[in-house]
Amino acid sequence: DTEVTQTPKHLVMGMTNKKSLKCEQHMGHRAMYWYKQKAKKPPELMFVYSYEKLSINESVPSRFSPECPNSSLLNLHLHALQPEDSALYLCASSQEGPYNEQFFGPGTRLTVL
Amino acid sequence: GQSLEQPSEVTAVEGAIVQINCTYQTSGFYGLSWYQQHDGGAPTFLSYNALDGLEETGRFSSFLSRSDSYGYLLLQELQMKDSASYFCAVKRIKAAGNKLTFGGGTRVLVKP
Repeated sequence: DTEVTQTPKHLVMGMTNKKSLKCEQHMGHRAMYWYKQKAKKPPELMFVYSYEKLSINESVPSRFSPECPNSSLLNLHLHALQPEDSALYLCASSQEGPYNEQFFGPGTRLTVL
Repeated sequence: GQSLEQPSEVTAVEGAIVQINCTYQTSGFYGLSWYQQHDGGAPTFLSYNALDGLEETGRFSSFLSRSDSYGYLLLQELQMKDSASYFCAVKRIKAAGNKLTFGGGTRVLVKP
């Protein structure tokens, strides 16, 4: 199984809502990532989890809260988002080590009204 | 800081060869990756170079010159399905969890 799955595919939320994005992989990868991607732009790293611990937070606003319940799951909790947070949110995973390719999920298209 | 430069767009016809250049400025460079992303799709890994030279994978090849801080992706025998965005990405030494920094992307349009 070389797949990263993400749910939901699309999400529309108001600025006062609380929602969560979910990501799952069963490749035994111990590094997992959240990226944000705006149209016609590259993915921007948000968070990195290594062995279920947060190892990198790229100065992301606190309205985004990541969680790694176990080695296969990664969540991104959303609260009080702004319209400019509308984007494609990508999850990825990889083996740990000097270099290993990242496997990306299909993403969640988020619209904040 | 870090920067990666690649052309924003390239247009070519089916069967042609396209070279996408990527120049980078970064401290602690470890390796250069290439990812492909179709519109509405997820980025997918194409290749990785940590050492100088050419890596070939089917119709795609990637090259790295560490001394010139330069790499390229070569797409041969272009097919319509190769129309996509292509990103170079730098891996830095001591970057936890295989952190990657992506270039701005090159949109490749293949015409019949």
